[in-house]
Amino acid sequence: DVKVTQSSRYLVKRTGEKVFLECVQDMDHENMFWYRQDPGLGLRLIYFSYDVKMKEKGDIPEGYSVSREKKERFSLILESASTNQTSMYLCASSGWGQGYEKLFFGSGTQLSVL
Amino acid sequence: AQSVSQHNHHVILSEAASLELGCNYSYGGTVNLFWYVQYPGQHLQLLLKYFSGDPLVKGIKGFEAEFIKSKFSFNLRKPSVQWSDTAEYFCAVTGTGNQFYFGTGTSLTVIP
Repeated sequence: DVKVTQSSRYLVKRTGEKVFLECVQDMDHENMFWYRQDPGLGLRLIYFSYDVKMKEKGDIPEGYSVSREKKERFSLILESASTNQTSMYLCASSGWGQGYEKLFFGSGTQLSVL
Repeated sequence: AQSVSQHNHHVILSEAASLELGCNYSYGGTVNLFWYVQYPGQHLQLLLKYFSGDPLVKGIKGFEAEFIKSKFSFNLRKPSVQWSDTAEYFCAVTGTGNQFYFGTGTSLTVIP
């Protein structure tokens, strides 16, 4: 079965710190996604990538950047963390073509910015 | 841009009651539709999906959903809920792009 692994389950950072959230998938999927999940707001897409070194902005990219140097790894970067970025961050991947079939999600990283 | 609306934010039911969660989307072209579920403390997982064909789709754990194109709807149903169905449910849609658009979610609490 597909595995999407996020490096940290819980993370606590201070305002202004640079934060890296790592995500690795083991099924050779082209597409990878970063979402944030907030109560009452559902899942909102931050960035996605459809190939190595390719990235597209989602609905809420401000304050974030991403890196995809290898196909299996998709990193989310908070250049200068702020308290309004406290959230649950979900990484997901999906395959091409029939692989639109479904997203495979990681377990999430609960980030608290103090 | 596409959007997805889930009108029920929090639903509370007794065991054995019937469930229907609403989902409407805004995209006018060909769509793929999904329901995802997130049980407490677990990651999101696929409940069922619609790509084409029979508009009544059956998923895992006795769930089903009906695609009504004229109403832009994809409502989730279950005839008799169980306590273990307590979870958050998300409707999602994809169109011509790679993006999945999610609704805001419906929190379901089933009382034993």
